[in-house]
Amino acid sequence: AQSVTQLDSHVSVSEGTPVLLRCNYSSSYSPSLFWYVQHPNKGLQLLLKYTSAATLVKGINGFEAEFKKSETSFHLTKPSAHMSDAAEYFCVVSQYNQGGKLIFGQGTELSVKP
Amino acid sequence: NAGVTQTPKFRVLKTGQSMTLLCAQDMNHEYMYWYRQDPGMGLRLIHYSVGEGTTAKGEVPDGYNVSRLKKQNFLLGLESAAPSQTSVYFCASTHSGANYGYTFGSGTRLTVV
Repeated sequence: AQSVTQLDSHVSVSEGTPVLLRCNYSSSYSPSLFWYVQHPNKGLQLLLKYTSAATLVKGINGFEAEFKKSETSFHLTKPSAHMSDAAEYFCVVSQYNQGGKLIFGQGTELSVKP
Repeated sequence: NAGVTQTPKFRVLKTGQSMTLLCAQDMNHEYMYWYRQDPGMGLRLIHYSVGEGTTAKGEVPDGYNVSRLKKQNFLLGLESAAPSQTSVYFCASTHSGANYGYTFGSGTRLTVV
């Protein structure tokens, strides 16, 4: 069975400093992995996705993630945080051979201090 | 482009009442899903469908029923609402096969009192 673990429930950074949100996955085959962002009282927005092409994936708003099979990780990074990045972030794995079900991590809340 | 539309957006129910949440997509997607979101638990899959006339249970199906009579619509029913079903519900859809993107609705906030 596939699963996703987000290693931090809450991350706090200062504006202008780097962001690192950590995600480990478990999968019996090559997974499709996603990062979604949810701003307060809003819906889900796709940041980026990995689908077995390049291991370094670039997304919107300056975010990127690196797929590391040997470490079963898919950490999300951004070089410089903005106040507008404050939100909840979800790491997600797709079970595309089982009806395409998305399995969500528990989420990481990112706070950005001025 | 409407994408995925959920109705209603907000609802307050009394314990024991029933209701149906509607998800409609106009992208001809084969796969559709219902999730619930609760604080600290991410999104959990309730039921899903891989095509018209098909449904399957997800991670937390108890207390819910679904139907997919038309390809574009996926209905989520609560026959006898309980306070534990207070949550935000999201519908999503995608094409079959790998590497397609998922489209999410904007959510339905349900409170059961």
